Amino acid sequence: ELKVEQNPLFLSMQEGKNYTIYCNYSTTSDRLYWYRQDPGKSLESLFVLLSNGAVKQEGRLMASLDTKARLSTLHITAAVHDLSATYFCAVEPADRGSTLGRLYFGRGTQLTVWP
Amino acid sequence: EPEVTQTPSHQVTQMGQEVILRCVPISNHLYFYWYRQILGQKVEFLVSFYNNEISEKSEIFDDQFSVERPDGSNFTLKIRSTKLEDSAMYFCASSWDRAAEAFFGQGTRLTVV
Repeated sequence: ELKVEQNPLFLSMQEGKNYTIYCNYSTTSDRLYWYRQDPGKSLESLFVLLSNGAVKQEGRLMASLDTKARLSTLHITAAVHDLSATYFCAVEPADRGSTLGRLYFGRGTQLTVWP
Repeated sequence: EPEVTQTPSHQVTQMGQEVILRCVPISNHLYFYWYRQILGQKVEFLVSFYNNEISEKSEIFDDQFSVERPDGSNFTLKIRSTKLEDSAMYFCASSWDRAAEAFFGQGTRLTVV
C-alpha cells in the first residue's frame, strides 16, 4: 500500500519566520494535493501538483513536487498567525486505473504560529 | 460556487444502533467517495462509488458499512451496528472525472456512546 510520510508532525513557529513541511511517498505518483484543515472543519484544497517540477504559490505558501524523489514540499514564508492549522498532503497513485481517484493522506502537520 | 453538502453535521448514537450519513455531491459529478478521520489522526479512504456500484473499498469498509445513491442526488453511508471505534469525522467527496480533483464536504462528526 502506498505510504505517505509527512514531517514534521508538529511545528511551532514565530511570526515572520520561514519553514518547510515535507511529504514523502512510497510509490509512483504524478498527482499530489495539499490541504488545510482548521479544527473541526473540512479539508480546504490549497494546491494540486500534477507533474514533476510543478511549483505553485498562493500568498505565503509555495508547494513543489519532485516525482523522481517522490517528495513534495510546502514552504511557508514570513508566517502569520492566520496560517495556524493542520496541513495534509495527499497522493494519488499513478496507476489510476485501479484506484479511481483514491487519495492516500499523510498524518498531517499541525502548525502553530505565535507572535 | 457548487459545494458538497453533508448532513447532519454532528450525530450522536448509541453503540449497536444503525446510522445513515447523507451527502449531496456537486450536481454534475460522477465519482463519489467516503473518507473518515478519527480524532487527531490522518484521513483514511473508505470507499469509492461510480456508476451505481462500489469501485474500490478499503479494509476498513467491512460488512457493517454500505453505500448507496438512492435517488440520483444523495449519496449515503450506512453503518449497521455502530461500535465505539466508529467515532470519527466522516467526509464525503465527489469529482466529475476520476482524473479530476475531488471536492470535500464539511464532514459529519459521528460520536458513538
